Amino acid sequence: KAGVTQTPRYLIKTRGQQVTLSCSPISGHRSVSWYQQTPGQGLQFLFEYFSETQRNKGNFPGRFSGRQFSNSRSEMNVSTLELGDSALYLCASTLGGGYNEQFFGPGTRLTVL
Amino acid sequence: TQLLEQSPQFLSIQEGENLTVYCNSSSVFSSLQWYRQEPGEGPVLLVTVVTGGEVKKLKRLTFQFGDARKDSSLHITAAQPGDTGLYLCAGGLTGGGNKLTFGTGTQLKVEL
Repeated sequence: KAGVTQTPRYLIKTRGQQVTLSCSPISGHRSVSWYQQTPGQGLQFLFEYFSETQRNKGNFPGRFSGRQFSNSRSEMNVSTLELGDSALYLCASTLGGGYNEQFFGPGTRLTVL
Repeated sequence: TQLLEQSPQFLSIQEGENLTVYCNSSSVFSSLQWYRQEPGEGPVLLVTVVTGGEVKKLKRLTFQFGDARKDSSLHITAAQPGDTGLYLCAGGLTGGGNKLTFGTGTQLKVEL
């Protein structure tokens, strides 16, 4: 069974640009969560999508948004990039809608110059 | 805001030594997970504990969930260089869906 895939793995952008990251969950998994990991703040929850609906949201500004498609693939978008958005963005796949074990992808390393 | 504090933050030991990593919170969690992360990769799930007082063993790793479900520990016996990595605890809340609150992390280095 294939694991969680994230594309691209690395991305370099400049301030003010926008970026879209993609996540394909494990086959059959319906929930996708996104996290931001930085050296200073650690791993922080961005949002969770289940059956194409955002179910939970972390404390991030509205510049961070996401969506989920009918095949459970998810995208997250960051608009008007800031230097502080440089981070490893991780996607986690979960089987069901209740609390289940999460399986992480390798992440997308975003660098904002 | 639920916070999970891990200690120690850094740990450098010799192969064969034992170690314990602690994960503490003032909040009650419905479940707690432990992950290990290597540079440039996503966290890999090691174990999930859900019952207060629960103890799980995974080869040389022993995980315990506190009776009040506010804290947890990870004990490694006879550490090996392959155990090197960032260890993260993460708590889930009832009704919180799949949102996890992650601990501050413990960077472990095991040297020959």
